[in-house]
Amino acid sequence: DQQVKQNSPSLSVQEGRISILNCDYTNSMFDYFLWYKKYPAEGPTFLISISSIKDKNEDGRFTVFLNKSAKHLSLHIVPSQPGDSAVYFCAALAPSDKLIFGTGTRLQVFP
Amino acid sequence: KAGVTQTPRYLIKTRGQQVTLSCSPISGHRSVSWYQQTPGQGLQFLFEYFSETQRNKGNFPGRFSGRQFSNSRSEMNVSTLELGDSALYLCASSLDRTGVSEQFFGPGTRLTVL
Repeated sequence: DQQVKQNSPSLSVQEGRISILNCDYTNSMFDYFLWYKKYPAEGPTFLISISSIKDKNEDGRFTVFLNKSAKHLSLHIVPSQPGDSAVYFCAALAPSDKLIFGTGTRLQVFP
Repeated sequence: KAGVTQTPRYLIKTRGQQVTLSCSPISGHRSVSWYQQTPGQGLQFLFEYFSETQRNKGNFPGRFSGRQFSNSRSEMNVSTLELGDSALYLCASSLDRTGVSEQFFGPGTRLTVL
């Protein structure tokens, strides 16, 4: 049973445009969410996070939006750059302090 | 500051064998977590060790085990390997327990079971 879902396995966006990566979760007890970025042959690196008491967190070109009623979060990257091409994982922190990851979305930014 | 290191980076084993993977956390980090990454399943949590004690465990069979040493280095062991154990095994370290401080991931060990 996948508690954190990323329903789009891949996304292709033109350089300079906005990339929107989506993530849905099922457990209303999750209160902290994170996005990680992973390049091939490297481990994931932390990108941005959001607490459930907020609905938006912004860091440069990256913004995460949280809609608790819909149990949905999204990562916006604007403007998208070729170096953003990677696999993006969303993760939720369970009450047990386990990180529950989604299956990932492969973003490709083309010129 | 050196990052999280994992050895070996690549490993090929046959069914029924056992394997030990090693993870050296960032200096000063006391928590080490292990994850299995397979296509279509994302990263699945295996276990977390903090100050030599297993603090959390995922839903994996008992063939998967781990330990942490006094210097915070951690090993995970998989016995009686199955084909489905082929995956990228990632370890992550954090200063404190998961959820309290940020996790930093190593590059992973890619295990292939033939």
